[in-house]
Amino acid sequence: QSALTQPPSASGSPGQSVTISCTGTSSDVGGYNYVSWYQQHPGKAPKLMIYEVSKWPSGVPDRFSGSKSGNTASLTVSGLQAEDEADYYCSSYAGNNNYVFGTGTKVTVL
Amino acid sequence: EVQLVESGGGLVKPGGSLRLSCAASGFTFSSYTMSWVRQAPGKGLEWVSSISSSSNYIYYADSVKGRFTISRDNAKNSLYLQMNSLRAEDTAVYYCVRDRFQGHYFDYWGQGTLVTVSS
Repeated sequence: QSALTQPPSASGSPGQSVTISCTGTSSDVGGYNYVSWYQQHPGKAPKLMIYEVSKWPSGVPDRFSGSKSGNTASLTVSGLQAEDEADYYCSSYAGNNNYVFGTGTKVTVL
Repeated sequence: EVQLVESGGGLVKPGGSLRLSCAASGFTFSSYTMSWVRQAPGKGLEWVSSISSSSNYIYYADSVKGRFTISRDNAKNSLYLQMNSLRAEDTAVYYCVRDRFQGHYFDYWGQGTLVTVSS
């Protein structure tokens, strides 16, 4: 199972929006509405930000939103804040009780 | 508050074995599927293994199948990962995660324990 493809980096100024893509195949992203997104600050554990493509866990601000079209999922962070600077990983169910993660995107707040 | 605390990591030689533990609290452990996810230094995340609430269903990534064994003790609110025939490429931080199996996502993560495989 190959990792999902994410851009290595993305950036934006405070208050702006940034969108991260996550490209897979019809066997993972395109085949299931089970895409989730995780935020990871340096030296910390990942934190769930979005699940089932576009749902928010309790406590996650609605500045974070998710979507999917075909084999590509996206995470948009609106109203960028300094604390949003982190690595972001997508994940998708890939059938047969397998999960695949994305390559990760480092978001920089300029 | 959900807490997942891993232990058991360390330095081990190639071909050696190690057993990781995860102590869970703050939720009804016996009702949830649990998983292990790892992250090699400076690299991305990789799902390793999952075990259903009653241990009836167990799944492994191809990269660890036949070498790693996941288990749990619901009476002790604990999750385990027995790792045998370790290789350099198994070097990673291993996270214990609560697995929302029906939605196929991981909602709580431990702080991780580092496993280093080196001679």
